[in-house]
Amino acid sequence: DSGVTQTPKHLITATGQRVTLRCSPRSGDLSVYWYQQSLDQGLQFLIHYYNGEERAKGNILERFSAQQFPDLHSELNLSSLELGDSALYFCASSVNPSSTSGRSDTQYFGPGTRLTVL
Amino acid sequence: AQKVTQAQTEISVVEKEDVTLDCVYETRDTTYYLFWYKQPPSGELVFLIRRNSFDEQNEISGRYSWNFQKSTSSFNFTITASQVVDSAVYFCALSKGAAGNKLTFGGGTRVLVKP
Repeated sequence: DSGVTQTPKHLITATGQRVTLRCSPRSGDLSVYWYQQSLDQGLQFLIHYYNGEERAKGNILERFSAQQFPDLHSELNLSSLELGDSALYFCASSVNPSSTSGRSDTQYFGPGTRLTVL
Repeated sequence: AQKVTQAQTEISVVEKEDVTLDCVYETRDTTYYLFWYKQPPSGELVFLIRRNSFDEQNEISGRYSWNFQKSTSSFNFTITASQVVDSAVYFCALSKGAAGNKLTFGGGTRVLVKP
């Protein structure tokens, strides 16, 4: 158990709908990362939040958005869902983004949310 | 841009055989980190090891060992005396040493250990 929790574990919805995925980082971790794992794209970085602020964006669609709340949990919002959005969505957490130390903290992953868009 | 290549998509071995997973990376950064993660059939991603670009010392942890060679940009992973529980997809990943340290993953290698 990594200490990172994600809910729900499974989500089945229809095209055009909107869903929210939730992540709680490990105790003490300030950084939250979101990744998408799909058969055709593999594991891809979506977005990174540190202590409530967005720090980096990857291949995240405009239909997707995220935020990190004062209690450090994060939510990933996916809207206008398409069939191709079906994937496993992972959240990871780490202590800090190593902005000055030159040290890359290890990211620990949650169990993922499997999204199926029908 | 960073890139990680795991040329082996699937490896099948019989229990107790050794298996080596290859990982080749590309980066222009002088400071970077390399990782291996395991994804068992249950789906979660489990952290196995992290190495930084300044430390080429190889490491052994139980039945796992890692061979980091900066000269060939490789970070290979060996499972000695494989067991059925080692069956999983293994991912090699790379991150910068500075801020914004997203992970860039390879495509993964599926290891199937048969009894």
